[in-house]
Amino acid sequence: GNSVTQMEGPVTLSEEAFLTINCTYTATGYPSLFWYVQYPGEGLQLLLKATKADDKGSNKGFEATYRKETTSFHLEKGSVQVSDSAVYFCALIGANAGKSTFGDGTTLTVKP
Amino acid sequence: NAGVTQTPKFQVLKTGQSMTLQCAQDMNHNSMYWYRQDPGMGLRLIYYSASEGTTDKGEVPNGYNVSRLNKREFSLRLESAAPSQTSVYFCASSEHGRSYTFGSGTRLTVV
Repeated sequence: GNSVTQMEGPVTLSEEAFLTINCTYTATGYPSLFWYVQYPGEGLQLLLKATKADDKGSNKGFEATYRKETTSFHLEKGSVQVSDSAVYFCALIGANAGKSTFGDGTTLTVKP
Repeated sequence: NAGVTQTPKFQVLKTGQSMTLQCAQDMNHNSMYWYRQDPGMGLRLIYYSASEGTTDKGEVPNGYNVSRLNKREFSLRLESAAPSQTSVYFCASSEHGRSYTFGSGTRLTVV
């Protein structure tokens, strides 16, 4: 079956530091890949997505590139802010367009 | 704003009591889902409904029942609440193969 493995947290960074959160997946065919963000006390919301190999999703300064050869979709941001403190979830939807498979989430704390 | 609406936002139950969590979406999505989120456990799928008139079990269905009342509404019922069901519950909806839209959650405590 499909699976998503995320870098374990928590991750603590200083403001303006570079962020990488690793995500690798197992799926047959060509899944669609997603990053969701969950701010404290809220539900998950879509941050960015990519639907085919070599696509780059981007939003709010975050980027992730769909790498078929390494089955990865790592989340990056060049300069994090305190307001980026949240839990980040990597997810995929398989080529058969069934239910989403979510990673366990990575908690990011950014300190001023 | 269009989206997924969950009620109530907070609830405290005594062990053995019953309650229904309500979820409604106004995006005309076919699929709806119920998840629970516990510290360190990520999201766990309780039940889902791929389309109006169908429901299926997820990873952790024991102790829960669901009803897909119509295309908009998908409710989750706890018949006899237990402390192990203390959690944050999220409803979500999606169109086939697309990203999910989540509600803001129901924080349930069973004492």
